[in-house]
Amino acid sequence: EVQVVESGGGLVQPGGSLRLSCVASGFTVSSTCMSWVRQAPGKGLEWVSIFCSSGDTYHADSVQGRFTISRDNSKNTLHLQMNSLRVDDTAVYYCASDISGTENVWGQGTLVTVSS
Amino acid sequence: DVVMTQSPLSLSVTLGQPASISCSSSQSLLYSNGNTYLNWFHHRPGQSPRRLIYKVSIRDSGVPDRFSGSGSGTDFTLKISRVEAEDVGIYYCIQGTHWPNTFGQGTKLEIK
Repeated sequence: EVQVVESGGGLVQPGGSLRLSCVASGFTVSSTCMSWVRQAPGKGLEWVSIFCSSGDTYHADSVQGRFTISRDNSKNTLHLQMNSLRVDDTAVYYCASDISGTENVWGQGTLVTVSS
Repeated sequence: DVVMTQSPLSLSVTLGQPASISCSSSQSLLYSNGNTYLNWFHHRPGQSPRRLIYKVSIRDSGVPDRFSGSGSGTDFTLKISRVEAEDVGIYYCIQGTHWPNTFGQGTKLEIK
């Protein structure tokens, strides 16, 4: 079965760090573009970051310089290192494969809460 | 960044009636390879988003044929030929042509 499962969310203070993980099964993360998308409470979906099969990575302006997307091919896992977290980073973070391609799979999401 | 603008932002539709959502982009979404990366998602509260349409008009596997996508360049449309109860939720367009990718604001569909 093709699926992705996120983990690593939790409660963190402003200025803190968290590392999200997304483990894929049924396909290889290095063969496609993998994205992080988030939804803040009461808000719409926001695209955050992407790691493409080419090795190219991109981040939304709102997280540029604070978040880093990476990939561990040996573990078929995508990561999102989030530093200098702000209250407005509070959201459910989803991992998704191939948003614009043929095989789009989403995880169940992991909640990140930034609060003092 | 490419701005995606959806209209309407909310929609109240009688069961069995059609619905239409528009999405316009601030730049053309035609990529140099000839593809247009405009996708449509459906999101219900408490669930993960589900893609309905990719590359403007290609329906995802398992998506009912009452859903259709059309458009080109900067103007796109999602149509539901006959709304069913399970169609409630929020619909988003997202462009995948330019970096960063960007979502529309979302259109909330409810049953009248």
